Amino acid sequence: EAGVTQFPSHSVIEKGQTVTLRCDPISGHDNLYWYRRVMGKEIKFLLHFVKESKQDESGMPNNRFLAERTGGTYSTLKVQPAELEDSGVYFCASSQAVSKGNNEKLFFGSGTQLSVL
Amino acid sequence: DAKTTQPPSMDCAEGRAANLPCNHSTISGNEYVYWYRQIHSQGPQYIIHGLKNNETNEMASLIITEDRKSSTLILPHATLRDTAVYYCIVRVKGGGADGLTFGKGTHLIIQP
Repeated sequence: EAGVTQFPSHSVIEKGQTVTLRCDPISGHDNLYWYRRVMGKEIKFLLHFVKESKQDESGMPNNRFLAERTGGTYSTLKVQPAELEDSGVYFCASSQAVSKGNNEKLFFGSGTQLSVL
Repeated sequence: DAKTTQPPSMDCAEGRAANLPCNHSTISGNEYVYWYRQIHSQGPQYIIHGLKNNETNEMASLIITEDRKSSTLILPHATLRDTAVYYCIVRVKGGGADGLTFGKGTHLIIQP
């Protein structure tokens, strides 16, 4: 079974440009999360989808970040326009539905390393 | 989620048991203790979780004190591949699987 996959693994863009990160969760996982680690800081929660609905987006830093999960499958995280402080590693994670009783295990992808120059 | 305290770093010899402590003195009755780790350049990986009883799986054992104010993650036979940052996280189980709160963790270095 494939794990959580993220694309691209690395992205280098200039300040002011737009970047879109993609996450494919494990098949059948209703919960999808985005996290990020800025250099030297802790891993921080960004938002949580349950299927196609945003359950919690309290961690989104500002309105330059837009996350979508149309159809409840893969998700995209768009940063527009990108700023220098957006550089970091963006992780996606997924877990099963609450009803299936195993949602406490989050499975993470390898992340996208974003560098804004 | 309750706050946790972990030592910033630890060393352990390869083949020996690695014991990683975690203090969570403000843990609530319905909060579980979870452990994740992050190996360099990979995403975090779930290890184990528990409420009050000791737990064991193929990766590790989790020992929780009777008052639940602290716990210890045990890697019984550490290998070089266990070098990673280990995170102790306390949170309510389920409840829509809210976002995990990662702290600074413990950087475990396995020495050959």
